[in-house]
Amino acid sequence: AQSVTQLGSHVSVSEGALVLLRCNYSSSVPPYLFWYVQYPNQGLQLLLKYTSAATLVKGINGFEAEFKKSETSFHLTKPSAHMSDAAEYFCAVSAQGGSEKLVFGKGTKLTVNP
Amino acid sequence: GAVVSQHPSWVICKSGTSVKIECRSLDFQATTMFWYRQFPKQSLMLMATSNEGSKATYEQGVEKDKFLINHASLTLSTLTVTSAHPEDSSFYICSARIRGGNYGYTFGSGTRLTVV
Repeated sequence: AQSVTQLGSHVSVSEGALVLLRCNYSSSVPPYLFWYVQYPNQGLQLLLKYTSAATLVKGINGFEAEFKKSETSFHLTKPSAHMSDAAEYFCAVSAQGGSEKLVFGKGTKLTVNP
Repeated sequence: GAVVSQHPSWVICKSGTSVKIECRSLDFQATTMFWYRQFPKQSLMLMATSNEGSKATYEQGVEKDKFLINHASLTLSTLTVTSAHPEDSSFYICSARIRGGNYGYTFGSGTRLTVV
């Protein structure tokens, strides 16, 4: 079975500051890992994904994440926050070669202060 | 590519009525569709998984008779909330599995259901 823990339900940063959203996973088999962003009353947009290729994954809008197996982590970062980055972010995991279910973390709301 | 169109985006209905939500894959064949429910300020909860041409698999605690899922074609899956009550008010999102080299999931834009 897979699970995801997102540390920090709310993160607040200043515009231009580093964004770091934490995600730890648990999986009995090699995982696929995803980060999604959700704006109010909208669906989910994929930021980036790890599918067992490069461990450092670059996504859209300047975001990137690094898969660290030893730490069971997949933290999301962005060097410089923009006001438009304010949204809800979800980390999710599915199992390679197993169930297709996508299991979500509880989400982290990112606030960007001017 | 890999776009899922979800309709309606919002709906208000009276208690006791039924509401149908549609998800269409526009440029690919969605053999598997997932239906999620999201309460305010919470994460997505998987309700059921539907495969084209077969019965949906429901998650534990989800009422099969209340949330009817049909996946009759490779491009259309529907969720019908039957005999809706105010506690069914929520945000419902569908998702399709993308197969092949571009592995992943694509999501519909969601449906805000309000039962009055």
